Amino acid sequence: SQQGEEDPQALSIQEGENATMNCSYKTSINNLQWYRQNSGRGLVHLILIRSNEREKHSGRLRVTLDTSKKSSSLLITASRAADTASYFCATDPSGNTPLVFGKGTRLSVIA
Amino acid sequence: DAGVTQSPTHLIKTRGQHVTLRCSPISGHKSVSWYQQVLGQGPQFIFQYYEKEERGRGNFPDRFSARQFPNYSSELNVNALLLGDSALYLCASSSGLAGAGETQYFGPGTRLLVL
Repeated sequence: SQQGEEDPQALSIQEGENATMNCSYKTSINNLQWYRQNSGRGLVHLILIRSNEREKHSGRLRVTLDTSKKSSSLLITASRAADTASYFCATDPSGNTPLVFGKGTRLSVIA
Repeated sequence: DAGVTQSPTHLIKTRGQHVTLRCSPISGHKSVSWYQQVLGQGPQFIFQYYEKEERGRGNFPDRFSARQFPNYSSELNVNALLLGDSALYLCASSSGLAGAGETQYFGPGTRLLVL
């Protein structure tokens, strides 16, 4: 079963615009991670935010986490055509369990 | 340093056959996890191995098995293949147990097509 649910399922924006993707999950977590996947290949780790953190930045990425609402958002600023990919949130439920992924958001950045 | 490597990259099998997929983790990583990703879905956890012991298993039938070798590489075996086993199989490695705040690093995957 998949714990995370990304929203929207698909997003199309113009180059230079910001892209926001949301993730909701069901159970308590140790941390939440965001991954990018290009053309059905391997996943690339973007950022990890721990349950006691509220916001984290990495380059053009900004991730927020609201554990009271069991939700997270990923903001990509000044998007580029190369950002076109599927983005997945993955939760790390409490205990020694592996990542539980959502279904992903397909982002298209049009040049 | 090389990242996670997987072989083969693509594979075509027929129903009822078996398949072995291979994964080499990042040097120094002791944990390997396997995921199945069907088209349009997120990856689903199959197995985790740490220090050559199975440390977790997802909701997959007994046709799926895996092992980890002394050099920490791993094999995923699937017997009696079904059409529904067609998917991208991803291997991920981490230095410690996945699920303990460890970042998992993924390989490029093996795309399996069952006809």
